[in-house]
Amino acid sequence: QQPVQSPQAVILREGEDAVINCSSSKALYSVHWYRQKHGEAPVFLMILLKGGEQKGHDKISASFNEKKQQSSLYLTASQLSYSGTYFCGTESTDKLIFGTGTRLQVFP
Amino acid sequence: DSGVTQTPKHLITATGQRVTLRCSPRSGDLSVYWYQQSLDQGLQFLIQYYNGEERAKGNILERFSAQQFPDLHSELNLSSLELGDSALYFCASSVGTSGRGVYEQYFGPGTRLTVT
Repeated sequence: QQPVQSPQAVILREGEDAVINCSSSKALYSVHWYRQKHGEAPVFLMILLKGGEQKGHDKISASFNEKKQQSSLYLTASQLSYSGTYFCGTESTDKLIFGTGTRLQVFP
Repeated sequence: DSGVTQTPKHLITATGQRVTLRCSPRSGDLSVYWYQQSLDQGLQFLIQYYNGEERAKGNILERFSAQQFPDLHSELNLSSLELGDSALYFCASSVGTSGRGVYEQYFGPGTRLTVT
């Protein structure tokens, strides 16, 4: 029941926007977003909880549609530092199952 | 620096051998999670401990086992190693209390295991 992310990869110029989607077949308690740069550990970005509570990054926003079991991560005015692989993690029964990943590359 | 430490950083061993990976969580965190990441693959959840007790299990092979000690550090034991076990193994920690669900996780730098 691994969540599916789309697109698999995105290439952007600095300043452009991107949306990464995460979809699950299971009912979710929360959705988490992490970013992993090449050769590094994943870093926490954001949690979206059932009921609308949101915690996380001040330059990246996200939405969580509980009924559709979907989440989207919005990256606006992208910077070079946004490059990396983005993983969503869906939570049910105390486990966080990570999605397939979306590779984002931002060029000058 | 996340505050989570993992040792060793790299490990090279032969098939059939046994290794132990060690993780120390952030100060104050009670939950420890183990993940496996193969080359260009996603993060596969293996197992979670909370305050010394196993809390959740993922796709962990029977050849693998883990434990969390009273000082909250955790060890992941991998035995009868196969070539396919070569991967990056991450430990993560969180405040984590049962009944609340999963809190944000802080990942250690990982242990890269190479089985030859």
